[in-house]
Amino acid sequence: DAGITQSPRYKITETGRQVTLMCHQTWSHSYMFWYRQDLGHGLRLIYYSAAADITDKGEVPDGYVVSRSKTENFPLTLESATRSQTSVYFCASSEPPGAYEQYFGPGTRLTVT
Amino acid sequence: GEDVEQSLFLSVREGDSSVINCTYTDSSSTYLYWYKQEPGAGLQLLTYIFSNMDMKQDQRLTVLLNKKDKHLSLRIADTQTGDSAIYFCAESKRGSYIPTFGRGTSLIVHP
Repeated sequence: DAGITQSPRYKITETGRQVTLMCHQTWSHSYMFWYRQDLGHGLRLIYYSAAADITDKGEVPDGYVVSRSKTENFPLTLESATRSQTSVYFCASSEPPGAYEQYFGPGTRLTVT
Repeated sequence: GEDVEQSLFLSVREGDSSVINCTYTDSSSTYLYWYKQEPGAGLQLLTYIFSNMDMKQDQRLTVLLNKKDKHLSLRIADTQTGDSAIYFCAESKRGSYIPTFGRGTSLIVHP
């Protein structure tokens, strides 16, 4: 499928478990982002990446790990899930030059019990 | 305060115009964006405006930018029930590829 995909779309996990959310884009965009969306907080940036092997922390990185060994993939790992990480997670990509508009995936709804 | 502020809710009647407002704080913003999020989906770019423009029109959408007041608005003409969604305002600062998003305005269109 062309575009940006996320998997799984829904996930229920238990406190303390490790879980990985996958993000794949077919455009070879340089920049990729992970956000979480919570009621009352809007979108908050977790991590971002300017290119393969280059990642950086966003506003709320604690408890998350990312990697980017290939341009098209940007997985997000919760090393030991907590209830406060229950959220909807969105991956996005963008490509310079231009307006740096972002293209979003459909999201992963994660519930930590 | 927040870098980008929006009101949380807007309710309009089908066929009326909707105006969603946004204020931002950074005078060095280069691009300002409007994204739409339908239920259960990711954000989708509706339109954007470069900071040296005052207005941009695209079919039923009109974006107005008042740089002096740091105010951005999105007008949707002839609003339809399919326009019901959350609308996010965002801005990117000069030299940055990371936008700052507002918290979103839920637009409710009723018959």
